Amino acid sequence: GDSVTQMEGPVTLSEEAFLTINCTYTATGYPSLFWYVQYPGEGLQLLLKATKADDKGSNKGFEATYRKETTSFHLEKGSVQVSDSAVYFCALSGPLRGYGGSQGNLIFGKGTKLSVKP
Amino acid sequence: GAVVSQHPSWVICKSGTSVKIECRSLDFQATTMFWYRQFPKQSLMLMATSNEGSKATYEQGVEKDKFLINHASLTLSTLTVTSAHPEDSSFYICSAREHSAGGAPVEQYFGPGTRLTVT
Repeated sequence: GDSVTQMEGPVTLSEEAFLTINCTYTATGYPSLFWYVQYPGEGLQLLLKATKADDKGSNKGFEATYRKETTSFHLEKGSVQVSDSAVYFCALSGPLRGYGGSQGNLIFGKGTKLSVKP
Repeated sequence: GAVVSQHPSWVICKSGTSVKIECRSLDFQATTMFWYRQFPKQSLMLMATSNEGSKATYEQGVEKDKFLINHASLTLSTLTVTSAHPEDSSFYICSAREHSAGGAPVEQYFGPGTRLTVT
């Protein structure tokens, strides 16, 4: 079945360092890909998304490119800030199976905790 | 963007009692709502998918008689944990999605989660 694998954390960086969080996926068809962020004590927020191959999602200085040939959607940021400390989840939208069933539900990776030190 | 609320944000209950968690879409009609469970330092596990006016579809391994889901309106879904036990303590998160004509994937909006502690 469909699955998402992302690098295990925790990842600890100094402020202004370059960030990469790897994410690869296995899916049938052509899923949409997402990065969600969960700040301490808060719910998940959509960070960025890409709906087809070669699309680049970007937001708040983060970006990720949908690479179909390598089935990857790695998250990058050129210069992290302390405020970026959070848990980051890679996800894909599963296949549609009709109105009554699991219709395009999200499949998440295990999450990567990022800590940025001043 | 669309807002999804959950109530309560945290709850402590005694073993054997039942707890109801509400999930509301505040500015859109959610034809589909999802309930997830998140264990510490782990990913979100989809528990069930509910479509307004029909029975929820539960994922394998989730007890439907223990986790009762009701999606009675286009803006409200409830999760009731019946006869709660300490092992049910977890972070429960709902998400909501509008119906899209043609079935194209549409973004899910997540609630802030409910922390359940069973003593």
